[in-house]
Amino acid sequence: AQTVTQSQPEMSVQEAETVTLSCTYDTSENNYYLFWYKQPPSRQMILVIRQEAYKQQNATENRFSVNFQKAAKSFSLKISDSQLGDTAMYFCAFRHAGKSTFGDGTTLTVKP
Amino acid sequence: GAGVSQSPSNKVTEKGKDVELRCDPISGHTALYWYRQSLGQGLEFLIYFQGNSAPDKSGLPSDRFSAERTGGSVSTLTIQRTQQEDSAVYLCASSLEGTGGAETQYFGPGTRLLVL
Repeated sequence: AQTVTQSQPEMSVQEAETVTLSCTYDTSENNYYLFWYKQPPSRQMILVIRQEAYKQQNATENRFSVNFQKAAKSFSLKISDSQLGDTAMYFCAFRHAGKSTFGDGTTLTVKP
Repeated sequence: GAGVSQSPSNKVTEKGKDVELRCDPISGHTALYWYRQSLGQGLEFLIYFQGNSAPDKSGLPSDRFSAERTGGSVSTLTIQRTQQEDSAVYLCASSLEGTGGAETQYFGPGTRLLVL
């Protein structure tokens, strides 16, 4: 069974600064996908970024980028130039064969 | 429709009653997923449907939980004889195809269930 661990229950960052959210996972699979989702107070889960395990290049989406270390089973999310709208709960997720395993989330607060 | 819709948004029920939660996926999406999210927790996988294949029910916590998907579209999650520990937000998601893993899952707004 896969497990996903997010060791930071809460984090805060000043507007315009950079923050990194950590995620580690455990699996015996070799082919899988990793995701970061954002869940604002509205409850709507939104995909932020995804990474294919077979790709060595780290995924980037505008201000969001990941540091994927396959051997270490680490998948951190970096948010650059933080904005107030980034305030939300962030979930790291592992997916293999259609099934997803989520971490417990990190609550990020962006302060003005 | 523009996205995944779920109904009702909120449901309050008494312990022991049955409830039905509905999910309307994005048109054309062959994969549909149900998750449960307890307060302040991550999502717990419950069940997923992929096309005409038998659903993967491995995440259902007990035999009081069941789900069906009619005509490859709308899905209903049924909880029989509800217990207080069933209180949670139930999220539905759909995607174009489930087995590959790369497809983006689009989530609905969830149904918040409170069992008194």
